[in-house]
Amino acid sequence: GQQLNQSPQSMFIQEGEDVSMNCTSSSIFNTWLWYKQDPGEGPVLLIALYKAGELTSNGRLTAQFGITRKDSFLNISASIPSDVGIYFCAETSGTYKYIFGTGTRLKVLA
Amino acid sequence: DTGVSQDPRHKITKRGQNVTFRCDPISEHNRLYWYRQTLGQGPEFLTYFQNEAQLEKSRLLSDRFSAERPKGSFSTLEIQRTEQGDSAMYLCASSVKGPDTQYFGPGTRLTVL
Repeated sequence: GQQLNQSPQSMFIQEGEDVSMNCTSSSIFNTWLWYKQDPGEGPVLLIALYKAGELTSNGRLTAQFGITRKDSFLNISASIPSDVGIYFCAETSGTYKYIFGTGTRLKVLA
Repeated sequence: DTGVSQDPRHKITKRGQNVTFRCDPISEHNRLYWYRQTLGQGPEFLTYFQNEAQLEKSRLLSDRFSAERPKGSFSTLEIQRTEQGDSAMYLCASSVKGPDTQYFGPGTRLTVL
């Protein structure tokens, strides 16, 4: 099935460092979502973006909807061990079908 | 716990057998979604219900797959004549508005031997 491109695929960082990851698409979409998934669990919604250029924060997380509507960025500031997991972006053109990215696997070294 | 629940959490079956999974959405949520997630990939949309009506199905949902939501509450996903390629995590999600407000269940991990 169709999926979005996320980068990096995985990253190891030191506790306290800032993290940045992005998601790109060849198509224009109306809504971007960012999810976190822990092992053996379903994804949990972190941030939703609805407008090009929109910048939204949720605690230490900040996400932006790209101006071109073809990309989005997620930043995590001052990472902590519980930030470990897989981060997925997802997007839709307005239907009920969401397309998920390939995921960025984050590991935090204490 | 008032979240989305799925049963069973794990299922091991032999190729050719039929399996059925159940999803209980959050009680006031009228929208229900099924996804499939293979190892190392993001979830892939399978189907969507609004109340008891199945409004959208992915081409990934072959003839061996059928989903129901008979009373607009819980839903079942059945796979007939399972194949090894069906091995995956099957996720259910529910929402009260659009899919941007959907909450996922913990998933059912299927292993076909």
